Amino acid sequence: GQQVMQIPQYQHVQEGEDFTTYCNSSTTLSNIQWYKQRPGGHPVFLIQLVKSGEVKKQKRLTFQFGEAKKNSSLHITATQTTDVGTYFCAGGSQGNLIFGKGTKLSVKP
Amino acid sequence: DAGVTQSPTHLIKTRGQQVTLRCSPKSGHDTVSWYQQALGQGPQFIFQYYEEEERQRGNFPDRFSGHQFPNYSSELNVNALLLGDSALYLCASSLRTGVGETQYFGPGTRLLVL
Repeated sequence: GQQVMQIPQYQHVQEGEDFTTYCNSSTTLSNIQWYKQRPGGHPVFLIQLVKSGEVKKQKRLTFQFGEAKKNSSLHITATQTTDVGTYFCAGGSQGNLIFGKGTKLSVKP
Repeated sequence: DAGVTQSPTHLIKTRGQQVTLRCSPKSGHDTVSWYQQALGQGPQFIFQYYEEEERQRGNFPDRFSGHQFPNYSSELNVNALLLGDSALYLCASSLRTGVGETQYFGPGTRLLVL
């Protein structure tokens, strides 16, 4: 069945360093969504990408959707301690979301 | 404007029992999806309800069933609980547009099966 792979599983960075997580789907996606889940919390919607090659920015966060609509990335510039959490990509296909396993980000002050 | 609400927040059951979880969608939303999130994993899609019918289903056994009411709220029922059913159950609501609906998650119900 359809799978969404996400790497790395864990990332430890020093505050101020950059961070990137990558997402790959086994099939072409209609859209990709990114969520952030704080420890003990629930996934919170960050952004949705729909168009091939689309790039969107939210302050220090940059999201990209691949040309083939099978991969995506999230890049955080100059991480802060408030960025701590698990970042999930979720591929939209046939009306439901297939989530990756997430990348858990820890930031050392 | 209330967001997605779920009840109860926590639940402890024993193997073989049955459980019902409840979800009220965000105001204005008509579609409810349910997800199971095991510890350290991403949410896994269980099923989606729209217009009081199950529209899509993930790879979950028939022990998992649901319902959507005319006010768009929804229930998730799990019969014959297994230890492996212990997880965070998330409800997500959206407005059906046919193209990549953004889903808004509730706080979840943490189910522990002993």
